[in-house]
Amino acid sequence: SQTIHQWPATLVQPVGSPLSLECTVEGTSNPNLYWYRQAAGRGLQLLFYSVGIGQISSEVPQNLSASRPQDRQFILSSKKLLLSDSGFYLCAWTIERQGMSSYNEQFFGPGTRLTVL
Amino acid sequence: AQSVAQPEDQVNVAEGNPLTVKCTYSVSGNPYLFWYVQYPNRGLQFLLKYITGDNLVKGSYGFEAEFNKSQTSFHLKKPSALVSDSALYFCAVRYNFNKFYFGSGTKLNVKP
Repeated sequence: SQTIHQWPATLVQPVGSPLSLECTVEGTSNPNLYWYRQAAGRGLQLLFYSVGIGQISSEVPQNLSASRPQDRQFILSSKKLLLSDSGFYLCAWTIERQGMSSYNEQFFGPGTRLTVL
Repeated sequence: AQSVAQPEDQVNVAEGNPLTVKCTYSVSGNPYLFWYVQYPNRGLQFLLKYITGDNLVKGSYGFEAEFNKSQTSFHLKKPSALVSDSALYFCAVRYNFNKFYFGSGTKLNVKP
């Protein structure tokens, strides 16, 4: 079966420090991968998505970047954190079939709660 | 533009009573709609989806959703609420093949 991991679970960082959050998926290959931020326990904002290694689409201009160095690894980074980067970061994946339209649901990781002080 | 709206910030219901969490959508083309549930400090869990076919979709934990094309709605329902159903519920629409747009969420409170 497929599983998705995120770490760390919680993180407290000072303003101006760097950030690296990691997401890995097991039990599948060539998934679509997504990073979301959830502020104040409510709506999800799509930050980045990736359809393959090295392929990153950015949805919102911001202080963050994403990379996909391996098929099942998705990393969210920042060089200098801002207070506004605080939030609950969620990684998600879907499985798509080559050459076929797919309407599969997303599966989410457990999330990372980031507090920037 | 593709979007979903959840008009209720919070829904309160007594245990054993039926519950409805509302969602309306705006999409160009065929809608692909989803419901998720989130417990505190956890990731979202998939409940059910509508792609095509029967307007009444059954999902996990006894939940179901009714797709209504004329009213552009996809309301989540359960015949008898449990206290353990208390959580945050999200409606979502899939668009542009790879992207998902989530509603703002509705907090469901089930009181014993």
